[in-house]
Amino acid sequence: ETGVTQTPRHLVMGMTNKKSLKCEQHLGHNAMYWYKQSAKKPLELMFVYSLEERVENNSVPSRFSPECPNSSHLFLHLHTLQPEDSALYLCASSQGGGDPWNEQFFGPGTRLTVL
Amino acid sequence: GQNIDQPTEMTATEGAIVQINCTYQTSGFNGLFWYQQHAGEAPTFLSYNVLDGLEEKGRFSSFLSRSKGYSYLLLKELQMKDSASYLCAVTDSNYQLIWGAGTKLIIKP
Repeated sequence: ETGVTQTPRHLVMGMTNKKSLKCEQHLGHNAMYWYKQSAKKPLELMFVYSLEERVENNSVPSRFSPECPNSSHLFLHLHTLQPEDSALYLCASSQGGGDPWNEQFFGPGTRLTVL
Repeated sequence: GQNIDQPTEMTATEGAIVQINCTYQTSGFNGLFWYQQHAGEAPTFLSYNVLDGLEEKGRFSSFLSRSKGYSYLLLKELQMKDSASYLCAVTDSNYQLIWGAGTKLIIKP
């Protein structure tokens, strides 16, 4: 247990569905991250929130929409996804407002399959 | 472009020593991380190096040479539970974290 939880752990959705991924951290951190992990590829940083403000958006398609209502919760809203979006989506948190020398604590991920 | 290279897969024997290498070409350098990720689980932090040299933590050690753009993770007295992927990540001059694709380590009895 890393102190970061994600739900659901597995999700299968059609290309026309709308779903949301949820992340919650119980560590008192003030920065949260969404990553995409595909097989045999590097982790891709999608979004960073520091002190509940989005500070990073790495050219992610608009079909992915993040939401950070408070420093403990992070959502990733999904709509009209493509099969190539199938991957493991990892949430992470860190202290220090996202300072890069602080280790990140990861959740177990949501395995997403888009049919 | 920015690049992190590490071997895709390595195999080692229980009780032995293994060294996992990571080379990087990034725009600047502000530290290097190693994370461990067991199959189906979250990555967990192992080490952070920002100065040249060797950092030792129990059975695991991490080495950095900034002039060579090179790091390695050394695992001693290998145990079956060390079977996992090991991720190398570098913070560049813009404080972006650049990740390698990971090295899958297989431990055999």
